[in-house]
Amino acid sequence: TQLLEQSPQFLSIQEGENLTVYCNSSSVFSSLQWYRQEPGEGPVLLVTVVTGGEVKKLKRLTFQFGDARKDSSLHITAAQPGDTGLYLCARYNTGKLIFGQGTTLQVKP
Amino acid sequence: NAGVTQTPKFRILKIGQSMTLQCTQDMNHNYMYWYRQDPGMGLKLIYYSVGAGITDKGEVPNGYNVSRSTTEDFPLRLELAAPSQTSVYFCASSSLRAGEKLFFGSGTQLSVL
Repeated sequence: TQLLEQSPQFLSIQEGENLTVYCNSSSVFSSLQWYRQEPGEGPVLLVTVVTGGEVKKLKRLTFQFGDARKDSSLHITAAQPGDTGLYLCARYNTGKLIFGQGTTLQVKP
Repeated sequence: NAGVTQTPKFRILKIGQSMTLQCTQDMNHNYMYWYRQDPGMGLKLIYYSVGAGITDKGEVPNGYNVSRSTTEDFPLRLELAAPSQTSVYFCASSSLRAGEKLFFGSGTQLSVL
């Protein structure tokens, strides 16, 4: 059973374009984390969202937690090649942090 | 501050061999985790520990064993390596409260041939 479904799995865009990545679950979660992973490195936490309807901004990245706390999205404005990487959402389930399958983003100059 | 340190960075094993992946953290974190990551995919939890002497299975524990004799160290043991265990392995730690962010090591790339 996949606790978290991410879409799309792969995204290739040109520099300057906008994009949205989605993370969905069939069950309510108390909080959700977004990580970014660059090749050859471990994931690094970008943000944690806790409250239904919450919106957090990190420079050109906007994170939203659904009102029902079953979904979340990551929107990147004017993507740059430095945004290239694997974006992962994760949630705690009985004390264990479980990850979605990730969205691979490629931003071409 | 070293954070989470994993060794080795790369390893090639023959089918049936055994090895231990080392993980140590210097942040006095109670929670430690082992994940595996296949190419282009998310991370699957193998085992985790909430403190010294306490370990529990994650999503994909078969073929692996762990121990946690100290707060700092959380080694992962592979017995009778199989090609299906070819993957990148990440160790991570977090502070006392569940829900905190995870700090990851830089990974061990393992190939079983």
